[in-house]
Order: sequence, then C-alpha cells, then structure tokens
Amino acid sequence: RKEVEQDPGPFNVPEGATVAFNCTYSNSASQSFFWYRQDCRKEPKLLMSVYSSGNEDGRFTAQLNRASQYISLLIRDSKLSDSATYLCVVNIDTGGFKTIFGAGTRLFVKA
Amino acid sequence: GAVVSQHPSRVICKSGTSVKIECRSLDFQATTMFWYRQFPKKSLMLMATSNEGSKATYEQGVEKDKFLINHASLTLSTLTVTSAHPEDSSFYICSARDRPSSTRSFRSYNEQFFGPGTRLTVL
Repeated sequence: RKEVEQDPGPFNVPEGATVAFNCTYSNSASQSFFWYRQDCRKEPKLLMSVYSSGNEDGRFTAQLNRASQYISLLIRDSKLSDSATYLCVVNIDTGGFKTIFGAGTRLFVKA
Repeated sequence: GAVVSQHPSRVICKSGTSVKIECRSLDFQATTMFWYRQFPKKSLMLMATSNEGSKATYEQGVEKDKFLINHASLTLSTLTVTSAHPEDSSFYICSARDRPSSTRSFRSYNEQFFGPGTRLTVL
C-alpha cells in the first residue's frame, strides 16, 4: 500500500462546478499535511496547509481527519485557471524528516 | 514566501557528461534541502535529503555515486549527475526547509519551498 494515496483522476468538470479531492495516508507518524498545485512542466506550489480544524482560503477548503487518516480539498466555483495537478503531501517525522507526495490528481476545468 | 532558485533551468547534454545543478535559498537559511526527480506524468520522487555540513541521505534505489550531493552552506546545495545517460533524463526539483525560528510558526517551518526545477535531457 502506498503511503499517500489520492483519487486517480483525471477530473473533467465544467466551469462553476464544485470538485472534491480525497487523500489517505498510512503512516500514523504523519505530522503535517499540505495540498500543492503543479502546473504542467512546472514546480509544485503550495496551495494550502491542512489542519484538523479545517481551513478555507477563498474558493478552496481543506480538511484533515486524523482518526481516519484522511485529507480532503474542496474547490468551489471552478475556474479554467484551476486546471492543474493537485498533490497531497504529508510530512512524516520519526526522528528524521521525510516528505511523501501523492501521485496527484489531474483536474481539467472546461468552459 | 521564501524563494528558492535553481540553475540551470534546462540542460541538454551528451551521454557520459556530468551535469551540476545548483539549488539556492535566496532569502532564508536552509539547514535541509531535498532533491526530487519527476518523470513525465509521474509524481515527485525523493532522491535524497541534503543536510548542511554533513553527508546526504539517499533514498533506496538512488545511487549515491551517480548522484553526488553537496550542501556546503546554508544557502546552497548542488546535485551532480555523473556520467549521465538517456535514462537520467528527467525533471529535477530541489526544495528547502527553513530553519526553526521564534518568528516562524511550527507550521511554516514544516513547509517546503520548491525551486523552479531543472529539465535534463541526455542525448
């Protein structure tokens, strides 16, 4: 089993749609959680951190459920510019710091 | 946010050539830098963790004699692909983690800042 698993995608949605991405992690020593966005042939860019209390940034809402080891990202009112690959990222600290990336979920938003 | 630069952004070289990639943290000191490799349509794979002043820690399956990492200062880490072959063609990305500081939150400390990547093509 992969340490971080994401929806396989791709997701094809019309503009204005709401889309949800799911991610599960297997290591209970996972300390911090992030969603990154990666555009084609570019480096990943931090979209938002994920906290147990949940956090919202405009049209984006991230949620963490430590008991279920589950992370989610919700995008409301999708824009064409949201088309990208969304990476679930987990930091594990078991004496040594290690970052695990999910395989990513590709999102296509169409007019 | 913090800025990480990488140089060069693109390299095309002949098989057998060694290629050096630089990763710099421009406005913060990075005790730890990470080197990733990404093949087309695949996720980032951690190659090694580079700690300032000590030897890098390589992930399983990554040849340390082929991918030489040097982290000589708190703002610079280099990755040298020795005797590159076509199968080494990939997108190499570095990232850096800031030092813990009383002015930065724990959450901020755990964030990694990525360089823009280096696209290596070995002919």
